[in-house]
Amino acid sequence: GENVEQHPSTLSVQEGDSAVIKCTYSDSASNYFPWYKQELGKRPQLIIDIRSNVGEKKDQRIAVTLNKTAKHFSLHITETQPEDSAVYFCAASTGNQFYFGTGTSLTVIP
Amino acid sequence: DTAVSQTPKYLVTQMGNDKSIKCEQNLGHDTMYWYKQDSKKFLKIMFSYNNKELIINETVPNRFSPKSPDKAHLNLHINSLELGDSAVYFCASSQNVGEETQYFGPGTRLLVL
Repeated sequence: GENVEQHPSTLSVQEGDSAVIKCTYSDSASNYFPWYKQELGKRPQLIIDIRSNVGEKKDQRIAVTLNKTAKHFSLHITETQPEDSAVYFCAASTGNQFYFGTGTSLTVIP
Repeated sequence: DTAVSQTPKYLVTQMGNDKSIKCEQNLGHDTMYWYKQDSKKFLKIMFSYNNKELIINETVPNRFSPKSPDKAHLNLHINSLELGDSAVYFCASSQNVGEETQYFGPGTRLLVL
């Protein structure tokens, strides 16, 4: 089955700096890569996703890049704000199964 | 935001008991899921289910069983609860299996004493 690894497990940045979270996957059949944000005590919610026919996608301060050859994808958050503090999960899907990474706890220091 | 709802929100029970968690989605989705999130925040898929197929994560003990009376509901039954079952359980749904956004319920915090 698919194995999704996510790094780092914790990340602290100063407000206004950028944050980068990286994930690798093992199954070359994976073709859909979403990112979820989970605030403390709340449910995970989709923030951005990318499909295997696209190399990069942006939505305001958030961007995701995908390198299919290397089997890795990354989340980039620019101009971080305190409300970006949360746990972020990457995931990979082969179309039949969803596999989540182990999560990154991001803290944005004001 | 009641697209995916779960009841109860909190559940405290004794070891050995049998309990159920209910999940309902009003999005018209065909696929529903159950996840377990432990104290380390790992999100582990337990089941995915649509009206055609139940996919079970092989590491899930058979004390856990999903039951779907219709495609808008996927309930989770847990028999003979153990201390290690304490976790937050999330229900989720998506239009289809795999390449679709999953919408999560608010979670059920289960504590087994």
